Amino acid sequence: DGGITQSPKYLFRKEGQNVTLSCEQNLNHDAMYWYRQDPGQGLRLIYYSQIVNDFQKGDIAEGYSVSREKKESFPLTVTSAQKNPTAFYLCASSQTIDRKETQYFGPGTRLLVL
Amino acid sequence: GQNIDQPTEMTATEGAIVQINCTYQTSGFNGLFWYQQHAGEAPTFLSYNVLDGLEEKGRFSSFLSRSKGYSYLLLKELQMKDSASYLCAVRGSSNTGKLIFGQGTTLQVKP
Repeated sequence: DGGITQSPKYLFRKEGQNVTLSCEQNLNHDAMYWYRQDPGQGLRLIYYSQIVNDFQKGDIAEGYSVSREKKESFPLTVTSAQKNPTAFYLCASSQTIDRKETQYFGPGTRLLVL
Repeated sequence: GQNIDQPTEMTATEGAIVQINCTYQTSGFNGLFWYQQHAGEAPTFLSYNVLDGLEEKGRFSSFLSRSKGYSYLLLKELQMKDSASYLCAVRGSSNTGKLIFGQGTTLQVKP
């Protein structure tokens, strides 16, 4: 099956700890994204990558880091510098064919701080 | 600034038609997306409009007017399972792929 997978589904972080959220896609999409969703708020862009070995900061990149060493993978690290990490984290990938674009989301990871 | 506006909540009756509006003000425009999101789940892609007009896909249709900065999502023959949040998102200027999301419209379908 083609799609986007995220793991784990739930993640618990202790104070001062870095944690890494996994995102893998087998859709052969060039572009990948990380969003954060908080209750009552719209999705906010953390980082995005349009091609392997390149990525750009989104609107709320502070306290986060990413890498894009492979086309299929775009892991997100939530560092201890992120003071309010509890949220629903969504990874997405996109493709444009004949001016028609689709952007699909993975199932998400819920991060909770202990 | 950049802004996406949608109603916060809507209620409709099973079997009816509902229209969810979205207005946007962005620096540039390269497409508008609609997503459906059930509680506790990830958003699922519904539609993409980049040219003016109506795109129909089964019970769902999406309309765009770029001159008015306006879109709507039309849901026909409402079913109970359509109770969800509907997210409007716009890709603004450049080809960065960045989407700007509205806060979403929570639709409740009643029997």
